[in-house]
Amino acid sequence: AAGVIQSPRHLIKEKRETATLKCYPIPRHDTVYWYQQGPGQDPQFLISFYEKMQSDKGSIPDRFSAQQFSDYHSELNMSSLELGDSALYFCASSGTSGKSVYEQYFGPGTRLTVT
Amino acid sequence: AQKITQTQPGMFVQEKEAVTLDCTYDTSDPSYGLFWYKQPSSGEMIFLIYQGSYDQQNATEGRYSLNFQKARKSANLVISASQLGDSAMYFCAMREGNTDKLIFGTGTRLQVFP
Repeated sequence: AAGVIQSPRHLIKEKRETATLKCYPIPRHDTVYWYQQGPGQDPQFLISFYEKMQSDKGSIPDRFSAQQFSDYHSELNMSSLELGDSALYFCASSGTSGKSVYEQYFGPGTRLTVT
Repeated sequence: AQKITQTQPGMFVQEKEAVTLDCTYDTSDPSYGLFWYKQPSSGEMIFLIYQGSYDQQNATEGRYSLNFQKARKSANLVISASQLGDSAMYFCAMREGNTDKLIFGTGTRLQVFP
């Protein structure tokens, strides 16, 4: 079965640079979620989108922005990168009916390293 | 107060045995969902099982079952017939009300030995 696709899988950036992470949800999933997992920590919710509209917001820094496009893929844009932004960034998606509305399926993650 | 508490930082189990990973939660919202995820050393987050607060029966998915005790606010994961490939970090998570975000516990590292 098709899963959530994230690109790139690994990214190395320097401080103050920008980064763009991409997420392609499972086909027919209309909701996308972004999470950040620091080393040795549990994932923290950043933001979510439903039908291209922001639906919920967590602890996302002002330096970060995200959007969902008409084909339901999503991008997380990160500017003025800091060392503390080094983390595993997950995208998850969920479906449109029944229990699938609640079940969040995660992608493989993008490992961002800021030097 | 912690929303999700996993009190077992690490657990060991012998292959083919069953193991229970503990999870307690704290919410005043009558509508919520409980999740378990597996994170192997490779880093991906694998969805295992979901239980809604209004579901009458405990969720089961293959070798995974969720022991949902609402009055005790616990949602323990039971893995039957453990396999070496089950060695991983296991996270319990909760979604409250109409929010999207999952709140995760600190995880339990499970090691399965031959």
